[in-house]
Amino acid sequence: QVQLVESGGGVVQPGGSLRLSCAASGFTFSTYGMYWVRQAPGKGLEWVAFIRYDGSNKYYADSVKGRFTISRDNSKNTLYLQMNSLRAEDTAVYYCAKDRGSLGSQFDYWGQGTLVTVSS
Amino acid sequence: DIQMTQSPSSLSASVGDRVTITCQASQDISNYLNWYQQKPGKAPKLLIYDASNLETGVPSRFSGSGSGTDFTFTISSLQPEDIATYYCQQWRTFGPGTKVDIK
Repeated sequence: QVQLVESGGGVVQPGGSLRLSCAASGFTFSTYGMYWVRQAPGKGLEWVAFIRYDGSNKYYADSVKGRFTISRDNSKNTLYLQMNSLRAEDTAVYYCAKDRGSLGSQFDYWGQGTLVTVSS
Repeated sequence: DIQMTQSPSSLSASVGDRVTITCQASQDISNYLNWYQQKPGKAPKLLIYDASNLETGVPSRFSGSGSGTDFTFTISSLQPEDIATYYCQQWRTFGPGTKVDIK
């Protein structure tokens, strides 16, 4: 069965950095696009970034562009999100999600999420 | 970017009621519209993709319709386990969500 397990969250000071990981299993990771989606406490869902199956294209929300970098290691079945210059408004649960693989963009499997808290 | 609006923002209905949520896109998105259910403390779950296709394993009381800019999500007979927040989504944009409670 498909499993996505995020790790790397924690408390970081404003201006600091953090790298999230998402370990994937139960499907052929190298053939699917992957996403990061976040949810601030008590708020709705916010799309953060997308990476194509082969890493050739990456897309970012305007709110994180230039500060966050999405990447993947298909040999390790792992997705990453490098977060730099963190701000208080980046505080959220971060989910990785798998693209369904059909035309359009759908998130058919999600991880359990990892909490990032940016605070001094 | 395309903007997505949802209404209502919250609703309260009785078990067995028919529940309808609408989602409107700021421009034509064809049928590229998906619906998710999120229960408190849990990750979202894909229910409907491409406006009207039921994801595998999702109960048939859930349905979706629409195309272009106007979409509808329906629960034909509300069950206690359907208490959740429902989000529409197109590419990189989520709607603000609709919280569904039992009356």
